[in-house]
Amino acid sequence: DTEVTQTPKHLVMGMTNKKSLKCEQHMGHRAMYWYKQKAKKPPELMFVYSYEKLSINESVPSRFSPECPNSSLLNLHLHALQPEDSALYLCASSQIIGPLSGANVLTFGAGSRLTVL
Amino acid sequence: AQSVTQLDSQVPVFEEAPVELRCNYSSSVSVYLFWYVQYPNQGLQLLLKYLSGSTLVKGINGFEAEFNKSQTSFHLRKPSVHISDTAEYFCAVSSRTGSARQLTFGSGTQLTVLP
Repeated sequence: DTEVTQTPKHLVMGMTNKKSLKCEQHMGHRAMYWYKQKAKKPPELMFVYSYEKLSINESVPSRFSPECPNSSLLNLHLHALQPEDSALYLCASSQIIGPLSGANVLTFGAGSRLTVL
Repeated sequence: AQSVTQLDSQVPVFEEAPVELRCNYSSSVSVYLFWYVQYPNQGLQLLLKYLSGSTLVKGINGFEAEFNKSQTSFHLRKPSVHISDTAEYFCAVSSRTGSARQLTFGSGTQLTVLP
């Protein structure tokens, strides 16, 4: 069993719907991430939260809205999505080892497969 | 900027044969390198990592990788593969931006083990 839990596993939504993806970890990690993965492609970074503050936003469209209520939870709110947003959305977490360390061991969840009709 | 190149998009191999999946990186600073595996319809699982120390790194499921600084490579190897090793394999490099860290992935290699 993965230590990063994502819900729901599958989500089908229309372009006018509002939905949310949820992610939870209880490893004491202080960094959490959202990645988007299209079929047969590598994961692409969307957002990074470090100590519950948004640290990196890779110019993702505003129809994706992240929220980090506390150090264990990470949500991704979805609104007015397009069919091309259909993908596997992966959540991950990592320890922050130290300000001078580049080491970054991510633990991934199993993903939420999103289909936009 | 750091980047990773996986030269082989698909590698077919017969069961019990050895396999090598190639990964080359570019970086101007100290590197931290990883191999992740992704089985169909699942998330990514860490196979092994190189942070420092010995250049030969052993991971799970009988995989190992060797960090070669002069050739800027981090190839993944297994002496004898099983059908269950069929999966997508991603090489990744870690970088730091401000107080956060992120992974940059290679394009992936689909390993298919044939009976």
